[in-house]
This record gives sequence, C-alpha cells and structure tokens, in this order.
Amino acid sequence: GNSVTQMEGPVTLSEEAFLTINCTYTATGYPSLFWYVQYPGEGLQLLLKATKADDKGSNKGFEATYRKETTSFHLEKGSVQVSDSAVYFCALSPRPNNAGNMLTFGGGTRLMVKP
Amino acid sequence: EAQVTQNPRYLITVTGKKLTVTCSQNMNHEYMSWYRQDPGLGLRQIYYSMNVEVTDKGDVPEGYKVSRKEKRNFPLILESPSPNQTSLYFCASSLRGLADNEQFFGPGTRLTVL
Repeated sequence: GNSVTQMEGPVTLSEEAFLTINCTYTATGYPSLFWYVQYPGEGLQLLLKATKADDKGSNKGFEATYRKETTSFHLEKGSVQVSDSAVYFCALSPRPNNAGNMLTFGGGTRLMVKP
Repeated sequence: EAQVTQNPRYLITVTGKKLTVTCSQNMNHEYMSWYRQDPGLGLRQIYYSMNVEVTDKGDVPEGYKVSRKEKRNFPLILESPSPNQTSLYFCASSLRGLADNEQFFGPGTRLTVL
C-alpha cells in the first residue's frame, strides 16, 4: 500500500535559520506529491506540489524536489520566519488514480520558530 | 469568497447519540471528502464522493455514513458515536477527483464523545 513517512517534531528553530523537513514515500506507480500546511486553529492549505520526477514545487520561499530515485520530497526554506510556525504535512496521491484522489498523509511535523 | 464550511466547529456529545456534521462548498467542485486527524497519524480519509450520488469508502469508514444529494453538500453522519470517534474532522473538496487537483479544506470540527 501507499505510505508517507516524515520526521517527527517538534522542530524548533530561530528566525532566519535554514529549514529541512524530511519526507519519504512508498507508492506504486508515479504519485503526485504535496506539502500541506496547517496554521493554528485552521484547516490545511496547499503549500506546494510536484507531479513528476525531478519537478520542483515552490511557494512562499519553500521548495521541495520530487526525487524518484530516493522516493523523497523534502521540504526546505532558506530563512524561516515566526509566521512559518505551523504543522506541515507531506502527502501523496497515487497515479494511475483508481482511488478517488485519496490523499495519503504523513504524521505531520510541527515547526516552531522563535524570534 | 471561495470556501469550504463546516458546522458545528466544536461538539461534545455522549455515546450513542446520533449526530451530523455538515459540510458545504461554494466552488462547484465535483469531488468531496472527509478526513479525521489524530495525533501522530496525520489525516486519514473516511469517505469520499466523486460526484452527486457517488460515494465510496476511504481508509477508516467504520462507524460513519455520508450522503451526496447535492453537489455543494456532503454531510458526515455518526449513527451511534463512540469515544474512539473523538477526533478532529476535516471536510475537503477539489474540482475533480484527479491526482493533481488541489484539495481545499474546511476549518475543522472538533468532536468529543463521552
């Protein structure tokens, strides 16, 4: 079956530090990969996505590259801000999509950025 | 404003008392889905709907029912809630049920079953 593994948190960083949140996946075929972010008290929102090998998704200074050879999709940001404090979820959607756009999520990583 | 709304946002109930959590989207999306979020487990899909009158089970459907009579609404029904259904629930929608489509999430419903 499909699965997503991401590093456990919490991750605590000082403002302007470099961020990496690791994500690896197991899936048949060629899944689409996503990072969703959940700010306190809110629902999830899409941060970035990549749909094929070597694609790089980017948004708001965050980046992640679809690495098929290592089945990874690590999230990075060069300089975090306090406003980036949130829970980050790595997810995949299988293709061919016979499962109704079912997203498989990792367990989530809480990021705390201190001033 | 394009959004997914859920009601109620918070609910405390007792074992066995039927409840319904409503979900509505105003984006004319075909696909809708329900997830539950539990610590350390991420989000797990309960049920999804590819379109009106088309629903199917996700990973953890036991104890839940859904219906999709209208395109915009996708209520989640707990006929006889139990304490292990205490969780944070999210409704989501996307334009189509395709792997590349972004899912838009509601604000969540925190349910406690005593």
